[in-house]
Parts: sequence; structure tokens; C-alpha cells
Amino acid sequence: GESVGLHLPTLSVQEGDNSIINCAYSNSASDYFIWYKQESGKGPQFIIDIRSNMDKRQGQRVTVLLNKTVKHLSLQIAATQPGDSAVYFCAEIYTGNQFYFGTGTSLTVIP
Amino acid sequence: DAGITQSPRHKVTETGTPVTLRCHQTENHRYMYWYRQDPGHGLRLIHYSYGVKDTDKGEVSDGYSVSRSKTEDFLLTLESATSSQTSVYFCAISGGNEAFFGQGTRLTVV
Repeated sequence: GESVGLHLPTLSVQEGDNSIINCAYSNSASDYFIWYKQESGKGPQFIIDIRSNMDKRQGQRVTVLLNKTVKHLSLQIAATQPGDSAVYFCAEIYTGNQFYFGTGTSLTVIP
Repeated sequence: DAGITQSPRHKVTETGTPVTLRCHQTENHRYMYWYRQDPGHGLRLIHYSYGVKDTDKGEVSDGYSVSRSKTEDFLLTLESATSSQTSVYFCAISGGNEAFFGQGTRLTVV
């Protein structure tokens, strides 16, 4: 299958700073992307999504940017809080509603 | 968690024994998935289903089979468990957009 990878497997940020988590995907046919957050001992939870006809989408404290030219996705978290500490995954979705995930980035927020 | 239940939550089994994991949903979603999660590999798709009796292989399907006889249930079977199948298994469901995940099943093959 197609690969979805994440840059920087670990990321540490100071509380209150902004965080940026990056993701590269390889399937140009993917038309839908999702960021998930996974806390220890739990299943992944939806954060924000974006369709391929968009470049940017904002949620509450989170923004996803999509650059189709270089097949790159990023998640920006504003004013990072201790509760944001988790592993973050990007997922690409394509034909047949198949979800493929990257290896994950572990975000640690330093109080 | 979006009406999705995995059972059992933990299981220890011996090499060579058959194991079945169950995923049950109450959302009437069309799509159901089984993933395994291992350190350094993230979530890898084992099998998925796009309807009753309609299933297909994912990227790591060897050694696994699935069945979906009802909309609400998706079973994952390890016909003869091996130590390499020690992992955390997640079921997910989707109505066509985002996927919702269960709490996971920790399987240890000794």
C-alpha cells in the first residue's frame, strides 16, 4: 500500500508555545486527510480533517494545512497545553474508504 | 466512544492456538476496520469491510481472517497465533467520513 510518514517522531514544546507536526503522504489520489490524537491506553480520536480541494482548515486551537504540490500535511496547535501531550497521527483516505496512517509523532508539553 | 466496543480488552494466548477478537458497533456504519499498532509502525490496516459479507485485505493481512455476517459485528481471527502477532488491535468504524476507534485489545502470544 501507499506510505504515509511523519517527520520528527518526537516533539517537545513549552506550554503556551505553538506546535507544528508534519506529515508526508505519497498517494496523489488521496482526497481526504484526517489528524488523530491518541492518548496513552486509548484509541485514536478525531481532531480535524481536510479535503483535497482545500489548502487550510481551522478548528478550535488547531489548523491543518495541505500542500498537494509536495504532498505535505501539517497540524498546528496554538497555545499548546499539557493536555495536548499525546501521539498524533495523520491519515490519508482514498478509494474504497481505506484509511492509512503514519507512524505517529509523540508530542510532549513541558509545563 | 461512538458506540464501538471491542472484546476482549486483554488476552494472553499460546502459540498455535486460534484467537478471535470481536468488534461491535451500534452506529449502523457501513465500513469497519481492523488495525494493529506496534511501536515504530503506527497503525497498520489488517482487513476492512464495506458491508455485510464484503471484506478486503489491508497491508498486513497474512495470518488473519475476518468475517462480517451482520452490520454490527466484525470478527478478526488468528487461525494459529504466533509471537509476531503480539500487538494492540484496534477496530474502527466509518460512515464514509471520519473513522471512530474502539479502545483496543491487547493480545499477547506466548
